[in-house]
Amino acid sequence: SAVISQKPSRDICQRGTSLTIQCQVDSQVTMMFWYRQQPGQSLTLIATANQGSEATYESGFVIDKFPISRPNLTFSTLTVSNMSPEDSSIYLCSVSDRQEYFGPGTRLTVL
Amino acid sequence: GENVEQHPSTLSVQEGDSAVIKCTYSDSASNYFPWYKQELGKRPQLIIDIRSNVGEKKDQRIAVTLNKTAKHFSLHITETQPEDSAVYFCAATKGNMLTFGGGTRLMVKP
Repeated sequence: SAVISQKPSRDICQRGTSLTIQCQVDSQVTMMFWYRQQPGQSLTLIATANQGSEATYESGFVIDKFPISRPNLTFSTLTVSNMSPEDSSIYLCSVSDRQEYFGPGTRLTVL
Repeated sequence: GENVEQHPSTLSVQEGDSAVIKCTYSDSASNYFPWYKQELGKRPQLIIDIRSNVGEKKDQRIAVTLNKTAKHFSLHITETQPEDSAVYFCAATKGNMLTFGGGTRLMVKP
Protein backbone atom coordinates (compact mmCIF):
# COMPACT_ATOMS: atom_id res chain seq x y z
CA SER A 1 0.00 0.00 0.00
CA ALA A 2 1.02 3.63 -0.52
CA VAL A 3 2.86 5.44 2.26
CA ILE A 4 1.20 8.76 2.95
CA SER A 5 2.53 11.59 5.10
CA GLN A 6 0.93 14.84 6.15
CA LYS A 7 2.34 18.07 7.52
CA PRO A 8 1.73 19.52 10.02
CA SER A 9 0.46 16.74 12.28
CA ARG A 10 -1.29 19.31 14.43
CA ASP A 11 -1.60 23.06 14.81
CA ILE A 12 -3.32 25.66 16.92
CA CYS A 13 -4.35 28.74 14.98
CA GLN A 14 -6.05 32.04 15.59
CA ARG A 15 -9.39 32.79 14.00
CA GLY A 16 -9.18 34.69 10.75
CA THR A 17 -5.88 33.12 9.72
CA SER A 18 -5.25 30.38 7.15
CA LEU A 19 -3.41 27.06 7.36
CA THR A 20 -2.04 24.99 4.50
CA ILE A 21 -1.82 21.22 5.00
CA GLN A 22 0.50 19.16 2.85
CA CYS A 23 -0.01 15.56 1.75
CA GLN A 24 2.85 13.55 0.24
CA VAL A 25 2.61 10.04 -1.23
CA ASP A 26 5.54 7.76 -1.93
CA SER A 27 4.21 6.70 -5.34
CA GLN A 28 2.25 8.25 -8.18
CA VAL A 29 -1.49 7.99 -7.66
CA THR A 30 -4.32 9.20 -9.81
CA MET A 31 -6.93 9.81 -7.15
CA MET A 32 -6.32 11.93 -4.06
CA PHE A 33 -8.99 13.12 -1.68
CA TRP A 34 -9.37 15.43 1.29
CA TYR A 35 -11.66 14.59 4.20
CA ARG A 36 -12.73 16.30 7.37
CA GLN A 37 -13.43 14.41 10.56
CA GLN A 38 -15.00 16.49 13.30
CA PRO A 39 -14.57 15.30 16.89
CA GLY A 40 -16.41 12.03 17.47
CA GLN A 41 -17.85 12.05 13.96
CA SER A 42 -17.49 10.18 10.72
CA LEU A 43 -15.43 11.22 7.72
CA THR A 44 -16.85 13.75 5.29
CA LEU A 45 -15.37 14.19 1.84
CA ILE A 46 -14.34 17.79 1.15
CA ALA A 47 -13.07 17.41 -2.40
CA THR A 48 -11.24 15.33 -4.96
CA ALA A 49 -7.83 16.79 -5.79
CA ASN A 50 -7.37 16.58 -9.55
CA GLN A 51 -3.89 16.75 -11.01
CA GLY A 52 -3.58 19.62 -13.46
CA SER A 53 -7.10 20.94 -13.00
CA GLU A 54 -9.38 22.44 -10.40
CA ALA A 55 -10.51 20.27 -7.49
CA THR A 56 -14.01 18.83 -7.43
CA TYR A 57 -15.83 19.96 -4.29
CA GLU A 58 -18.64 18.18 -2.48
CA SER A 59 -21.82 19.87 -1.43
CA GLY A 60 -21.21 22.28 1.42
CA PHE A 61 -17.56 22.93 0.59
CA VAL A 62 -16.31 25.75 -1.61
CA ILE A 63 -13.01 26.63 -3.22
CA ASP A 64 -12.74 30.02 -1.51
CA LYS A 65 -12.80 28.36 1.91
CA PHE A 66 -10.80 25.22 1.06
CA PRO A 67 -8.49 25.90 -1.89
CA ILE A 68 -6.67 22.77 -3.04
CA SER A 69 -3.58 22.33 -5.15
CA ARG A 70 -2.41 19.17 -6.92
CA PRO A 71 0.75 20.03 -8.84
CA ASN A 72 1.75 16.40 -9.52
CA LEU A 73 0.74 12.80 -8.89
CA THR A 74 2.44 12.53 -5.47
CA PHE A 75 1.55 15.78 -3.71
CA SER A 76 -1.43 17.91 -2.75
CA THR A 77 -2.22 20.76 -0.39
CA LEU A 78 -5.42 21.82 1.33
CA THR A 79 -5.75 25.33 2.73
CA VAL A 80 -8.29 26.14 5.39
CA SER A 81 -8.94 29.85 4.89
CA ASN A 82 -10.22 32.55 7.23
CA MET A 83 -10.56 30.02 10.01
CA SER A 84 -13.17 30.02 12.74
CA PRO A 85 -13.52 27.71 15.77
CA GLU A 86 -16.01 25.63 13.75
CA ASP A 87 -13.12 24.60 11.50
CA SER A 88 -11.48 22.77 14.41
CA SER A 89 -11.27 19.23 13.13
CA ILE A 90 -8.99 16.52 11.81
CA TYR A 91 -8.20 16.86 8.13
CA LEU A 92 -7.10 13.73 6.30
CA CYS A 93 -5.88 13.13 2.81
CA SER A 94 -6.36 9.79 1.14
CA VAL A 95 -5.30 8.05 -2.03
CA SER A 96 -7.16 5.46 -4.04
CA ASP A 97 -5.49 2.59 -5.83
CA ARG A 98 -8.20 -0.10 -5.96
CA GLN A 99 -8.36 0.44 -2.22
CA GLU A 100 -8.34 3.72 -0.35
CA TYR A 101 -5.64 4.56 2.19
CA PHE A 102 -5.52 7.48 4.57
CA GLY A 103 -2.79 9.78 5.71
CA PRO A 104 -2.19 10.24 9.44
CA GLY A 105 -4.29 13.39 9.59
CA THR A 106 -3.77 16.96 10.72
CA ARG A 107 -5.43 17.96 13.97
CA LEU A 108 -6.45 21.60 13.72
CA THR A 109 -7.61 23.70 16.66
CA VAL A 110 -8.86 27.22 16.01
CA LEU A 111 -9.04 29.58 18.94
CA GLY B 1 -26.01 10.89 -3.93
CA GLU B 2 -25.17 7.85 -1.85
CA ASN B 3 -26.39 7.61 1.75
CA VAL B 4 -24.97 5.05 4.18
CA GLU B 5 -26.60 4.25 7.51
CA GLN B 6 -24.68 2.31 10.15
CA HIS B 7 -25.96 0.56 13.30
CA PRO B 8 -25.45 0.37 16.17
CA SER B 9 -23.58 3.55 17.05
CA THR B 10 -22.08 1.86 20.12
CA LEU B 11 -21.60 -1.81 20.86
CA SER B 12 -20.26 -3.39 24.02
CA VAL B 13 -19.38 -7.08 24.10
CA GLN B 14 -17.58 -9.44 26.40
CA GLU B 15 -14.20 -10.72 25.30
CA GLY B 16 -14.67 -13.88 23.26
CA ASP B 17 -18.16 -12.99 22.09
CA SER B 18 -19.05 -12.02 18.53
CA ALA B 19 -19.81 -8.51 17.30
CA VAL B 20 -21.96 -7.59 14.33
CA ILE B 21 -22.19 -4.16 12.72
CA LYS B 22 -24.74 -3.47 10.00
CA CYS B 23 -24.88 -0.90 7.21
CA THR B 24 -27.42 -0.03 4.56
CA TYR B 25 -26.83 1.99 1.42
CA SER B 26 -29.15 3.81 -0.93
CA ASP B 27 -27.53 3.72 -4.38
CA SER B 28 -27.99 0.34 -6.07
CA ALA B 29 -25.10 1.21 -8.40
CA SER B 30 -22.60 1.11 -5.51
CA ASN B 31 -20.23 -1.79 -6.06
CA TYR B 32 -17.44 -1.58 -3.49
CA PHE B 33 -17.86 -1.75 0.29
CA PRO B 34 -14.81 -1.34 2.55
CA TRP B 35 -14.66 -1.43 6.33
CA TYR B 36 -12.24 0.72 8.32
CA LYS B 37 -11.04 0.48 11.89
CA GLN B 38 -9.99 3.67 13.61
CA GLU B 39 -8.22 3.53 16.94
CA LEU B 40 -8.14 6.62 19.12
CA GLY B 41 -5.92 9.31 17.63
CA LYS B 42 -4.99 7.24 14.60
CA ARG B 43 -5.93 7.14 10.94
CA PRO B 44 -8.67 4.84 9.60
CA GLN B 45 -7.19 1.50 8.54
CA LEU B 46 -8.79 -0.74 5.95
CA ILE B 47 -9.55 -4.11 7.54
CA ILE B 48 -11.66 -5.85 4.92
CA ASP B 49 -13.61 -5.02 1.81
CA ILE B 50 -16.10 -6.68 -0.52
CA ARG B 51 -17.14 -6.05 -4.08
CA SER B 52 -20.63 -6.40 -5.43
CA ASN B 53 -19.92 -9.61 -7.31
CA VAL B 54 -19.21 -11.43 -4.03
CA GLY B 55 -21.67 -12.29 -1.26
CA GLU B 56 -19.26 -13.02 1.56
CA LYS B 57 -15.60 -12.62 2.37
CA LYS B 58 -13.65 -13.82 5.37
CA ASP B 59 -10.24 -13.00 6.80
CA GLN B 60 -9.43 -14.88 10.00
CA ARG B 61 -11.80 -13.54 12.70
CA ILE B 62 -13.37 -10.94 10.43
CA ALA B 63 -16.04 -11.53 7.82
CA VAL B 64 -18.22 -9.30 5.70
CA THR B 65 -21.50 -10.20 4.02
CA LEU B 66 -23.30 -8.32 1.29
CA ASN B 67 -26.95 -8.50 0.28
CA LYS B 68 -27.28 -6.50 -2.94
CA THR B 69 -31.01 -6.98 -3.20
CA ALA B 70 -31.65 -5.54 0.24
CA LYS B 71 -28.75 -3.07 -0.11
CA HIS B 72 -27.15 -3.94 3.17
CA PHE B 73 -23.82 -5.31 4.29
CA SER B 74 -22.47 -6.41 7.64
CA LEU B 75 -19.20 -6.83 9.49
CA HIS B 76 -18.81 -9.84 11.75
CA ILE B 77 -16.01 -10.16 14.28
CA THR B 78 -15.73 -13.47 16.09
CA GLU B 79 -13.82 -14.26 19.28
CA THR B 80 -13.45 -10.58 20.07
CA GLN B 81 -10.36 -9.38 21.90
CA PRO B 82 -9.72 -6.14 23.83
CA GLU B 83 -7.55 -4.91 20.95
CA ASP B 84 -10.61 -5.00 18.72
CA SER B 85 -11.91 -2.01 20.68
CA ALA B 86 -12.09 0.91 18.23
CA VAL B 87 -14.47 2.82 16.01
CA TYR B 88 -15.48 0.96 12.88
CA PHE B 89 -16.71 2.67 9.72
CA CYS B 90 -18.45 1.12 6.76
CA ALA B 91 -18.41 2.83 3.38
CA ALA B 92 -19.87 2.45 -0.07
CA THR B 93 -18.83 3.66 -3.49
CA LYS B 94 -19.73 3.24 -7.14
CA GLY B 95 -16.75 5.13 -8.46
CA ASN B 96 -13.80 6.47 -6.61
CA MET B 97 -15.53 8.47 -3.87
CA LEU B 98 -16.36 6.77 -0.60
CA THR B 99 -19.46 7.62 1.40
CA PHE B 100 -19.02 6.65 5.04
CA GLY B 101 -21.47 5.44 7.61
CA GLY B 102 -21.67 7.21 10.94
CA GLY B 103 -19.38 4.77 12.74
CA THR B 104 -19.73 2.19 15.50
CA ARG B 105 -17.76 2.42 18.72
CA LEU B 106 -16.96 -1.16 19.71
CA MET B 107 -15.89 -1.83 23.27
CA VAL B 108 -14.63 -5.30 24.18
CA LYS B 109 -14.65 -5.89 27.91
CA PRO B 110 -11.97 -8.23 29.24
